[in-house]
Amino acid sequence: AQKITQTQPGMFVQEKEAVTLDCTYDTSDPSYGLFWYKQPSSGEMIFLIYQGSYDQQNATEGHYSLNFQKARKSANLVISASQLGDSAMYFCAMREAFTGGGNKLTFGTGTQLKVEL
Amino acid sequence: GAGVSQTPSNKVTEKGKYVELRCDPISGHTALYWYRQSLGQGPEFLIYFQGTGAADDSGLPNDRFFAVRPEGSVSTLKIQRTERGDSAVYLCASSLGETGANVLTFGAGSRLTVL
Repeated sequence: AQKITQTQPGMFVQEKEAVTLDCTYDTSDPSYGLFWYKQPSSGEMIFLIYQGSYDQQNATEGHYSLNFQKARKSANLVISASQLGDSAMYFCAMREAFTGGGNKLTFGTGTQLKVEL
Repeated sequence: GAGVSQTPSNKVTEKGKYVELRCDPISGHTALYWYRQSLGQGPEFLIYFQGTGAADDSGLPNDRFFAVRPEGSVSTLKIQRTERGDSAVYLCASSLGETGANVLTFGAGSRLTVL
């Protein structure tokens, strides 16, 4: 089974609108962390936001927030007030503390977001 | 340095040749990771180092791939007898620690093309 599933290969959103990028994960580890990275066309991976499995509150970072629903094993990224500069590929990733072979991040296949005027 | 530095940024080689890709992590970062990203895919884990030792090399696809980090800082990914299927962007990342919320900071990648 895929550890990280991103079902939206591509998304469009109008500037200043909000958009949700979906991410579901699969783990039996009680302790894990979820990350979102942005990869613009330049290719560099940029860290956006982190959510720990024991965190009680949803993480927020600027106009990014993470909608963490532990029982559903989902960690959706919400971008509020989209900007043209948000156009990029977005990757969800997971680190498992005990299973999955160590402390590496496992990435999903990504969602390509295009912000339009 | 200020960020993770990878060289070369682009490498074109012929099938069967040997290549080395270098990664200079952020100063003080003890954990270093190598990933491979094929077109349209997410990064795929290859190997990670804690200090000088390879803590997990389970992602290396076969014995043509090898990586070293002799002094616990700079790392080199070595690919022998390259094949066309090795063409990808090779990403290096480093982090201060290796657990929990420790964030991986990535370099710009080395794009390898095997003709």
